[in-house]
Amino acid sequence: TQLLEQSPQFLSIQEGENLTVYCNSSSVFSSLQWYRQEPGEGPVLLVTVVTGGEVKKLKRLTFQFGDARKDSSLHITAAQPGDTGLYLCAGLNFGNEKLTFGTGTRLTIIP
Amino acid sequence: EPEVTQTPSHQVTQMGQEVILRCVPISNHLYFYWYRQILGQKVEFLVSFYNNEISEKSEIFDDQFSVERPDGSNFTLKIRSTKLEDSAMYFCASIPDRDYGYTFGSGTRLTVV
Repeated sequence: TQLLEQSPQFLSIQEGENLTVYCNSSSVFSSLQWYRQEPGEGPVLLVTVVTGGEVKKLKRLTFQFGDARKDSSLHITAAQPGDTGLYLCAGLNFGNEKLTFGTGTRLTIIP
Repeated sequence: EPEVTQTPSHQVTQMGQEVILRCVPISNHLYFYWYRQILGQKVEFLVSFYNNEISEKSEIFDDQFSVERPDGSNFTLKIRSTKLEDSAMYFCASIPDRDYGYTFGSGTRLTVV
């Protein structure tokens, strides 16, 4: 069974601060996706990273896929209250259909 | 922006009853999925569907579960005889091709009493 562990599980920081969320596994994935989920809603795709070592930027969000394709990170610069939410990483395997979701990081940005 | 639409948003059913959860995937997408999320737990894969047949299913997806694409637009999940532990949010998702990010619906909250 493949597992994706996210850390920290909960993070509460002041507006304007920077933060990093980690997604780690002992398994190799063909690609990794990051989602954000609001209460009572489905996950919303933020980014997909497919190449080991890849870095993608989405405004103040920077996503990195580890060289060995086993881990990923999400860095947020100058966090804003609108960034509050549950962040999920999810891995996809070669030739496999299912997304394996991580344990989630619940982020709260305090104004 | 195209959406995956799920109905109903909430469903309460008695244990042992059959339920059908409905989804309308994005029209040009080819791969369809059902996931579920028990309250406070991880999102879990149930089943994938491509070319009018199941392509992969998890151990959760036992004989009580079935999926169907009865026409060109709907994608349904049926639970034949619901159990208390089937209570969860059920999410439908679709993608246009492999290795794309998924578009999830807003989910159906199923409560079995």
